[in-house]
Amino acid sequence: AQSVTQLGSHVSVSEGALVLLRCNYSSSVPPYLFWYVQYPNQGLQLLLKYTTGATLVKGINGFEAEFKKSETSFHLTKPSAHMSDAAEYFCAVSDRSGGSYIPTFGRGTSLIVHP
Amino acid sequence: ETGVTQSPTHLIKTRGQQVTLRCSSQSGHNTVSWYQQALGQGPQFIFQYYREEENGRGNFPPRFSGLQFPNYSSELNVNALELDDSALYLCASSFSLRGDSTDTQYFGPGTRLTVL
Repeated sequence: AQSVTQLGSHVSVSEGALVLLRCNYSSSVPPYLFWYVQYPNQGLQLLLKYTTGATLVKGINGFEAEFKKSETSFHLTKPSAHMSDAAEYFCAVSDRSGGSYIPTFGRGTSLIVHP
Repeated sequence: ETGVTQSPTHLIKTRGQQVTLRCSSQSGHNTVSWYQQALGQGPQFIFQYYREEENGRGNFPPRFSGLQFPNYSSELNVNALELDDSALYLCASSFSLRGDSTDTQYFGPGTRLTVL
């Protein structure tokens, strides 16, 4: 069975500082990995995803994530936080369980950006 | 290009009632997934429909059922509502060649269901 752990329900950074949101997963087979962002009263928007190939994945809005198989991690980073980055971020994993890809989401990390 | 839309935006029901939530997929998409997001939690996968057939289901009881129509719009039906069914229900559509959830999904804004 697959699972996702997001370390820290809240992360607070100053505008212009590095953003680091942590995600660890467990999966018995090579997984697909995703990061989503959710703004208040809105649905989720895909930031980036890892399927195969290059382990450093670049996404929208300056975000990137690195797949580290040995650490079973897929941490999300952004070099310089902007006020508009304040939102809820979800890591998700999907692997072929029982013949179908079933996605599992983490509990989310709320990113707070201070001026 | 119209995005994913859901209706209604808010809904209040009482325990034991039945509810139908609707989703209109993004143009050109043939796959739809439904998720339940409880307050303060991540989304939980309910099921996915590909070309009008269910092709993946999460850990939800049979009283959660769905339909996908030829125009790829979709319904989520929940029977015998329980208090714990109170949540935001999200629909996501995608274009898939294989019918799996690894394709990029586009989410609607959700329907907020409150069960009293």
